Amino acid sequence: DAKTTQPTSMDCAEGRAANLPCNHSTISGNEYVYWYRQIHSQGPQYIIHGLKNNETNEMASLIITEDRKSSTLILPHATLRDTAVYYCVAGRGKSTFGDGTTLTVKP
Amino acid sequence: DTAVSQTPKYLVTQMGNDKSIKCEQNLGHDTMYWYKQDSKKFLKIMFSYNNKELIINETVPNRFSPKSPDKAHLNLHINSLELGDSAVYFCASSLNGGPRRDIQYFGAGTRLSVL
Repeated sequence: DAKTTQPTSMDCAEGRAANLPCNHSTISGNEYVYWYRQIHSQGPQYIIHGLKNNETNEMASLIITEDRKSSTLILPHATLRDTAVYYCVAGRGKSTFGDGTTLTVKP
Repeated sequence: DTAVSQTPKYLVTQMGNDKSIKCEQNLGHDTMYWYKQDSKKFLKIMFSYNNKELIINETVPNRFSPKSPDKAHLNLHINSLELGDSAVYFCASSLNGGPRRDIQYFGAGTRLSVL
């Protein structure tokens, strides 16, 4: 699996878009990018994943650069309940969750 | 119905004891995992089983022994518990193929405290 790098923490105002970056410069051509979040001490929850194309679902959007070396998770209208640790995982099989980004949504 | 369920949710025990944590998934997945999350919140994979076969065994003391009686179950037995084993243990499962392969679904965690 590719190593990922994420900022340690970010703040976002409620109602605004939260853009969470992830660097995965060593990703292989057939490795997907997965995003999860962990709210408080609950189990991590799957958000979205992609290979090359941008993806959108009911929770978020995922933008992957053309060279696939980085991606951005977008929460279009962040709410207080989106405060969590967000993990970017690149690869398959052996799953390496890095330190993630602690997103704090503020009123 | 809970997709990935772990029991017990909390486990408090003395050093030196042996304990087990059970995990069951009803998603029809063929791959299951155990993760350890310590006080620093780093989520580290311990084991992974695919169709009851061990495929990932990270550097984990041999006091930890996973057992997969069938594809839907992956249990974790820990011998001679130590203080450093205190952590939250998460079970997860995924499919090995198809468009949603490798998307992991996690249980709620088992909070182990060794006194």
